[in-house]
Amino acid sequence: GAVVSQHPSRVICKSGTSVKIECRSLDFQATTMFWYRQFPKQSLMLMATSNEGSKATYEQGVEKDKFLINHASLTLSTLTVTSAHPEDSSFYICSVPGQGAYEQYFGPGTRLTVT
Amino acid sequence: GQQVMQIPQYQHVQEGEDFTTYCNSSTTLSNIQWYKQRPGGHPVFLIQLVKSGEVKKQKRLTFQFGEAKKNSSLHITATQTTDVGTYFCAAGDGSARQLTFGSGTQLTVLP
Repeated sequence: GAVVSQHPSRVICKSGTSVKIECRSLDFQATTMFWYRQFPKQSLMLMATSNEGSKATYEQGVEKDKFLINHASLTLSTLTVTSAHPEDSSFYICSVPGQGAYEQYFGPGTRLTVT
Repeated sequence: GQQVMQIPQYQHVQEGEDFTTYCNSSTTLSNIQWYKQRPGGHPVFLIQLVKSGEVKKQKRLTFQFGEAKKNSSLHITATQTTDVGTYFCAAGDGSARQLTFGSGTQLTVLP
């Protein structure tokens, strides 16, 4: 399966600041990556689909101006949480589609805490 | 969009007992996948099911896809403490490769 890394693994920031999270596909090129958010004890909710060389596709209810996604290369997608607030505190996970038909491979996640 | 219901939400079993988690959808699914997330970790892909009535086995784990492709189950025989974690089913939408996750079943195995 794909090897996916995320950086940072954990970040604490003050309310009103912006945080950038990187997702890298280490062993193959990915034209598509997915960003999920997971609150404690809850399931994963798809936020957006990151498309290399074009605009990301956001799920309903996800503010595209608040969660900026850039997929500038076939191995890197970034998610920037702008003007973060405490309610944005969550576990952010990216995934890369596998080379098979349907499976996805997840990064280790980034735990964001906004104080 | 697709919605997938998963039960139970929590399950505590004694080591050696069996465990089953179920997923149901009101719509026919293109495919269903199962993931395991250890505490503090990220989801790890276990299996994908595509065909109606499909059954797949991985050692002590048995995965089933219903005949109508609206439900699926994961059964673990003789649980071990290493099975602890949250098991998620996820419905794929085929071409777009997006996943809709079930709510997950958190398994605790008591030694």
